[in-house]
Amino acid sequence: AQSVTQLDSHVSVSEGTPVLLRCNYSSSYSPSLFWYVQHPNKGLQLLLKYTSAATLVKGINGFEAEFKKSETSFHLTKPSAHMSDAAEYFCVVTLPNYGGSQGNLIFGKGTKLSVKP
Amino acid sequence: DAGVTQSPTHLIKTRGQQVTLRCSPKSGHDTVSWYQQALGQGPQFIFQYYEEEERQRGNFPDRFSGHQFPNYSSELNVNALLLGDSALYLCASSPHFIGEQFFGPGTRLTVL
Repeated sequence: AQSVTQLDSHVSVSEGTPVLLRCNYSSSYSPSLFWYVQHPNKGLQLLLKYTSAATLVKGINGFEAEFKKSETSFHLTKPSAHMSDAAEYFCVVTLPNYGGSQGNLIFGKGTKLSVKP
Repeated sequence: DAGVTQSPTHLIKTRGQQVTLRCSPKSGHDTVSWYQQALGQGPQFIFQYYEEEERQRGNFPDRFSGHQFPNYSSELNVNALLLGDSALYLCASSPHFIGEQFFGPGTRLTVL
C-alpha cells in the first residue's frame, strides 16, 4: 500500500530564510510524488511532481524537491521564504492507473507553513 | 478558462438529510475525482469517474454515490448524513491519459 508521512505538522520560518518541509513515502512500486499547496479559501495547487525522471524536481514559485529512493524521502525546499508562501502544504503519492491516467491521490496530513516578517 | 468550478460554496444540513454537490471540470478534461477533507486533515479520495462510470473508489460507505454526465460534469450525493460528514468536499478534474489533477475550491458541508 502507498502512504506518505509529513514529519512536521507546523513549520515556522522568518521571511528570507530557507524552507524545509519533510516527507517520507511508502510504496510497493515506483511511485509518482507531488507537493500541493492550499491557501485559505482557495483550491489545491500543484507545486511540483516527480514521475521517475530527474530526481531533483523544480516547481513553481522557487520551490524544489529531491526524490531520494534510499531514504524514501521527498522533501520540499525553498532557498528564501516569502510572506506569500504561508499556507498548508501536502505531500502526495499515487500510482498510475491502467492506461497511464493518474490514479487516486493519497495525501499526507499536511504541514502548515508560517512566515514571520 | 474557468478552471474547475463547484457549487454550492457552502451548505448546511441536518443529520439524516441528503445532499448533492456539483462539479464542472476544466475545459478539455474528461475525468473527475472527488475528495473529502476533514478539518485539519489531508484530503481523502472518495471516487473517480470516467466515461460516466465509477472507475475507482476509496474507503467510503455506499451512502456516498456519484454520477458523471455526458458533458463530463459530475455530482456527489451523500445520503443519511452524519455529523462526521462535515468537511470540505473537493472535486478534481484531469485529462484521462495525461494525468495531472486540477482542483476546485471545494464545497464546505456542515451537518448539524
